[in-house]
Amino acid sequence: QSALTQPPSASGSPGQSVTISCTGTSSDVGGYNYVSWYQHHPVKAPKLIIYEVSKRPSGVPDRFSGSKSGNTASLTVSGLQAEDEADYYCSSYGGTNNLLFGGGTKLTVL
Amino acid sequence: QVQLVESGGGVVQPGTSLRLSCAASGFTFSNYGMHWVRQAPGKGLEWLAYDGNNKYYADSVKGRFTTSRDNSRNTLYLQMNSLRVEDTAVYYCSRDRHPWYSDYWGQGTLVTVSS
Repeated sequence: QSALTQPPSASGSPGQSVTISCTGTSSDVGGYNYVSWYQHHPVKAPKLIIYEVSKRPSGVPDRFSGSKSGNTASLTVSGLQAEDEADYYCSSYGGTNNLLFGGGTKLTVL
Repeated sequence: QVQLVESGGGVVQPGTSLRLSCAASGFTFSNYGMHWVRQAPGKGLEWLAYDGNNKYYADSVKGRFTTSRDNSRNTLYLQMNSLRVEDTAVYYCSRDRHPWYSDYWGQGTLVTVSS
């Protein structure tokens, strides 16, 4: 199966909101509410920020929110802060005991 | 606190084998499934394998890579055989939380396959 599709880059000024999309198919993103999002700063461990489409782990600011419509999931970062600059990856159960990741989106805070 | 520490990476020649380890601490290792994920240079994350009550593999590594674990040592392993140049990547282990997401990740270990 192909990876999920994310825009390679996104940007916003401090305080603004940015939305990153993650497009799959009805066999993965659209078929299950098993979409998660990870924040990855270079040379650090990826960090879970959203699971099961829209749930936030404890400790993750409520500036991060997730949603899904059809075969596309979205991550919205509100009130952008400098430390939000990182790579963001979506992930979805692939339907056949496998996991799919998106290609990643580099978020730049202008 | 939960810690995952990968080791065993290095520079190897194409066609050879390598075994990675992931040492877990801060939780009851035997109660959790684990994933292996890699990131090739300049590329995104790629899921490789799940190790739990069952084992699952990505098509890209099925038959070449094998995941295993030693619950007495709190350690996860990834045996990689017939390595290819395109297997060059940082390899991560992560703790699975059902359904199909990871709540903790290691820092990764770099594997370089080059002649």
